[in-house]
This record gives sequence, structure tokens and C-alpha cells, in this order.
Amino acid sequence: DAKTTQPTSMDCAEGRAANLPCNHSTISGNEYVYWYRQIHSQGPQYIIHGLKNNETNEMASLIITEDRKSSTLILPHATLRDTAVYYCIVRIQTGANNLFFGTGTRLTVIP
Amino acid sequence: NAGVTQTPKFQVLKTGQSMTLQCAQDMNHEYMSWYRQDPGMGLRLIHYSVGAGITDQGEVPNGYNVSRSTTEDFPLRLLSAAPSQTSVYFCASALISGTYEQYFGPGTRLTVT
Repeated sequence: DAKTTQPTSMDCAEGRAANLPCNHSTISGNEYVYWYRQIHSQGPQYIIHGLKNNETNEMASLIITEDRKSSTLILPHATLRDTAVYYCIVRIQTGANNLFFGTGTRLTVIP
Repeated sequence: NAGVTQTPKFQVLKTGQSMTLQCAQDMNHEYMSWYRQDPGMGLRLIHYSVGAGITDQGEVPNGYNVSRSTTEDFPLRLLSAAPSQTSVYFCASALISGTYEQYFGPGTRLTVT
């Protein structure tokens, strides 16, 4: 699986959009980009994933660049409950389904 | 639907003791796995299973055993606990097909003295 690079930490004002970048310059053609988050030592929670098209669900939007070497997770209106560590993971969709976590980005939403 | 459950929530062991961490899911997921998370680190895969009777090693399998006799349960055994196994342990499950979204349990915080 391709490696990812994320900033260690970011701050965002409550109510503003939080844009979390991820670099995955060695991604291969059949690898998907997944985002999970972990709120204060709870189990990680799935947010969204995509291959090459932009994706949106009730939690967030995922923007993948045309060359697929980077992506951005967007939380459109950040709340205090969005304070968490966000993990960007790149992987092939196979039956084994293993995830390889880095250290992620610690997002702090400020009142 | 309870999702993924783990017991116990907290455990303190002495070096050399053995114990089993329990994990169960009620979503009929084929895939189950165990991760450990050390302070300030991301999760690391210990063992995983893609179905009853099938298990395989992950990134950090040494010191741990698993078995998968049913779809629902995936226990993790520590045969002889060591201080280096002090960590938070998470169990996860997922379908083999579809979105591949993994569902995580609440974790077991283990301290080995």
C-alpha cells in the first residue's frame, strides 16, 4: 500500500470549513483513498473514501486531484465534536481489507 | 444491533500472565482484525481473519495468538504478557465486499507491570 503524508496538527474555527490535506504521491491506479477519524481514544470511525472522482456524504467531502497524488478532506462546517485525529489511508480494495494507519492529523476546532 | 463489542474495557496484568481479549460482532461480517495503539501512534495491525477458520498475521503478530471458530467472535490471546504489550487494543470488522468500511470496537486498555 502507498504511503501517505499528513500535517501533524491543524486548527479550525468553529463553523468554518476544515480542509485536511493528504499527500500520496506513490499511489497506484487501483488504490483507493480512505479517511478515518479517531475521537479521543475511541475506536476509529470511517468517514469517506474515493478512487478518482470527488465524493460527498453526510459527514464530509473528498477532493482528489486529477493526478491522484494528493487529496483533501473537507468538513464543511466544523463543530467542537469534530476535534479528533484524522487518518488518510491508501489501499487496494481486496478481501483482506487491512488498514495501515500513520500518525494522522490532529484537528482542533476552536470555539 | 450492538456492532463490535470488546471485553474487558480495562485490564492490568503482571509480566508472564496470560489472558484473552474478547471481540464479537453481530453484523455477519466476514473480516475481523485486531490492532494495537501505543501512545501518540497510529494503529498497527496484529492479526486478521477473512472468515471462520482462516487467520493470518499482520504487522506486529509476535506474542499474540488468534482463532476464528465462528463468524461472530475473534478472541486475541496473550500467552505470556510483557510490559511492551502495554497498549490499547482495538478490534474491527467489515464486509469483504462493498464499501470496505471497517467498524471498530471501543477498545481494551491493557497495562502490563
